[in-house]
Amino acid sequence: EVQLVESGGGLVQPGGSLRVSCAASGFIFSIYEMNWVRQAPGKGLEWVSYISSSGDTIHYADSVKGRFTISRDNAKNSLYLHMNSLRAEDTAVYYCARDSRESFDLWGQGTIVTVSS
Amino acid sequence: SSELTQDPAVSVALGQTVRITCQGDSLRIYYANWYQQKPGQAPVLVFYGKNNRPSGIPDRFSGSSSRNTASLTIAGAQAEDEADYYCNSRDSSGDHLGLFGTGTKVTVL
Repeated sequence: EVQLVESGGGLVQPGGSLRVSCAASGFIFSIYEMNWVRQAPGKGLEWVSYISSSGDTIHYADSVKGRFTISRDNAKNSLYLHMNSLRAEDTAVYYCARDSRESFDLWGQGTIVTVSS
Repeated sequence: SSELTQDPAVSVALGQTVRITCQGDSLRIYYANWYQQKPGQAPVLVFYGKNNRPSGIPDRFSGSSSRNTASLTIAGAQAEDEADYYCNSRDSSGDHLGLFGTGTKVTVL
């Protein structure tokens, strides 16, 4: 089955760190660009970060630049988002999304990150 | 970067047609993609590019664009079409698909 499965979410204190992961299966992960998209409670979708298929091109939203790091391991069919200096406003469902270069054509079910003391 | 603006909410009678619009400068250059999101679920791609519908999406979903406005039309809306809909395109740099619309809540009466 073609799918993306996120994991690693949880409760973290302000200023803390967390790494969320996305496991891909059912397709050739290494040829796809990937993204992280988040959704704060009751809010809309917000793009967070992009990584090329090889990992050599990366982009971030201004809201997370300097605090979040996207990476991938094509041998493990996995995508990661390492989040540092977390703030209350980073509380959201974090989705990984496959990028077909035309659209986000496959989404995971999301993992919940809550930043609170 | 730029923005994509959508009406917050629209309603449609069962079996009637509804159009959801998305406005933004990037749409003068790039096509919009459309995602449907039901409560508690991940978004699902329902229309993309110039004229593409993913496999499994009913043909009552269609898209169009003109100047800086993209539209998603649901012809003969069904109860299961009640959801939030988001448009999406490349940002002004063209480097990534990092621009999302503000979202439209569609209610089927």
